[in-house]
Amino acid sequence: EVRLVESGGGLVQPGGSLRLSCAASGFTFSSFWMHWVRQAPGKGPVWVSRINEDGSGTNYADSVRGRFTISRDNAKNTLYLQMNSLRADDTALYYCARGGREVPTRWGQGTLVTVSS
Amino acid sequence: DIQMTQSPTSLSASVGDRVSITCQASQDISNNLNWYQQKPGKAPRLLIYDASNLETGVPPRFSGSGTGTDFTLTISSLQPEDFATYYCQKYDSVSLTFGGGTKVEIK
Repeated sequence: EVRLVESGGGLVQPGGSLRLSCAASGFTFSSFWMHWVRQAPGKGPVWVSRINEDGSGTNYADSVRGRFTISRDNAKNTLYLQMNSLRADDTALYYCARGGREVPTRWGQGTLVTVSS
Repeated sequence: DIQMTQSPTSLSASVGDRVSITCQASQDISNNLNWYQQKPGKAPRLLIYDASNLETGVPPRFSGSGTGTDFTLTISSLQPEDFATYYCQKYDSVSLTFGGGTKVEIK
């Protein structure tokens, strides 16, 4: 069974940092693109970033480029999102998702990030 | 940037109704469009990829059509478990963009 479990969310002050993790199991992690997608309360999903199978290729939404870094450790079956210079509008539930390059197909249940003073 | 406009933003329908949701792109996106269903408190679920391909395990009452700028998700006979919010999502070489969503409610 495909399983994606996000962790690392929490309350952080504006300007602070957080590192999200996504532990993957039930599939060959190193064979899939991975995505981060966020969803603010009551709003629709917003794609954040993606990374290719071996970690050599990444893309970011304009709103997070230069502040967030996606990475992966295929030996540990884990996806990461390092988030720096956090702002109030980064407050959201952050999902990791297994993909193709263009389509997040299987999603975790998310970890909540709240940016507030 | 290419904008995605979903309509309607919400609709009320009865069990058994045929329901159609549209997604319009501001520029030609070929068939680079996916559809998702989201229920409250749950993650989105992929229904349709590349405009018209049914994801494994999704009931055949769901179908997708369109190419270029105009796309449609159709539910042929609405079931109680289909009341949810639906999102389109377009993709290109550098990013993915979700539409604003359509909430399907019980009439």
